[in-house]
Amino acid sequence: ETGVTQSPTHLIKTRGQQVTLRCSSQSGHNTVSWYQQALGQGPQFIFQYYREEENGRGNFPPRFSGLQFPNYSSELNVNALELDDSALYLCASSDGQGAHEKLFFGSGTQLSVL
Amino acid sequence: SQKIEQNSEALNIQEGKTATLTCNYTNYSPAYLQWYRQDPGRGPVFLLLIRENEKEKRKERLKVTFDTTLKQSLFHITASQPADSATYLCAPGGNAGNMLTFGGGTRLMVKP
Repeated sequence: ETGVTQSPTHLIKTRGQQVTLRCSSQSGHNTVSWYQQALGQGPQFIFQYYREEENGRGNFPPRFSGLQFPNYSSELNVNALELDDSALYLCASSDGQGAHEKLFFGSGTQLSVL
Repeated sequence: SQKIEQNSEALNIQEGKTATLTCNYTNYSPAYLQWYRQDPGRGPVFLLLIRENEKEKRKERLKVTFDTTLKQSLFHITASQPADSATYLCAPGGNAGNMLTFGGGTRLMVKP
């Protein structure tokens, strides 16, 4: 059983560019959530996908968008990058959306915007 | 608005002692509360989940309490070890499934 994997591990972009981050869910998990974690802060919820549909969204602008594929892998896209987008982006998969379902996190993608 | 508070200052304790971390929440009525551990450069790892009708939950050296009247959860590590050094995150939830809102985390340092 493979865990959650994210790619790339590190990325450097310049302001105004676009970026795509990728996530492979843990085997058997149909739900993927994305979080942004600034240095010294807790993870902030961006959005969640369940069976290829956006299931919920946090307080992030529309330039943050996502996709979930039939194999339950997922992408996070960020357009028009800003300096404040520099953070660790975490993907988490779960076997459903219930409040009792724990999240399995990947190691994250460290994004630096210059 | 919903607010989750964890002690932002690092907690330094001696090996063998009990570490107690606090999670306070306001404007919330969570049905569940989850605790995660995060090591530097890694994603959080699930530790324990406690339900609103459970006062206490244990797993090996870990113990979590959940007081819905005080709007507080306490996380205890007994007989702490240097390997327990990490950041611990709490996440009250239930109203929005497992779309969790995390506290800022408390960094625990256990000294030999």
